[in-house]
Amino acid sequence: KQEVTQIPAALSVPEGENLVLNCSFTDSAIYNLQWFRQDPGKGLTSLLLIQSSQREQTSGRLNASLDKSSGRSTLYIAASQPGDSATYLCAAIPWGGYNKLIFGAGTRLAVHP
Amino acid sequence: EAQVTQNPRYLITVTGKKLTVTCSQNMNHEYMSWYRQDPGLGLRQIYYSMNVEVTDKGDVPEGYKVSRKEKRNFPLILESPSPNQTSLYFCASRETSGGAGDTQYFGPGTRLTVL
Repeated sequence: KQEVTQIPAALSVPEGENLVLNCSFTDSAIYNLQWFRQDPGKGLTSLLLIQSSQREQTSGRLNASLDKSSGRSTLYIAASQPGDSATYLCAAIPWGGYNKLIFGAGTRLAVHP
Repeated sequence: EAQVTQNPRYLITVTGKKLTVTCSQNMNHEYMSWYRQDPGLGLRQIYYSMNVEVTDKGDVPEGYKVSRKEKRNFPLILESPSPNQTSLYFCASRETSGGAGDTQYFGPGTRLTVL
């Protein structure tokens, strides 16, 4: 059974730092991996989706990598800003289980000025 | 604007009083699903629908019902709510049923408290 774990559970950093958020999954047989941002009262916003055949995806200051062999994905945030404060969730779609996302519990990020 | 909407956004109710949380998407998506989010457990899938009149159980379906009579709507029904159903609920959709590579879009969430 696929399980997704995110470390750390919470992170507080000063503005301007480069950050790495970690996501690990127990079964390397995934179809894709998606990173979301969750803001209070606003639901989940998709940030990046990495297909199993890809190694990374980039959007602005965000870069997500995927290493299926080690069961890991990382979300890199460059030059963090207070507006980046949110909870970040990773979710995997397992092979043969296309009908759901399996989520980690999230990393709560606070970027202070 | 492409979006998934949910109503109500907040609801406090009592044990046993039937309720419905509505979900609607304006993107003509085939696939829709419901998740609940609890502290420390992440989001867990309750039910999903591949298309109109096609629904199936997720990981935690007990105590819930759904229907998909129209493509755009996917209501979540709690026939007899209990306190352990107190949670934050999210509706989601994606373009195609077989499109596991499609981005999923989420609604803003419904915070339900059952007393």
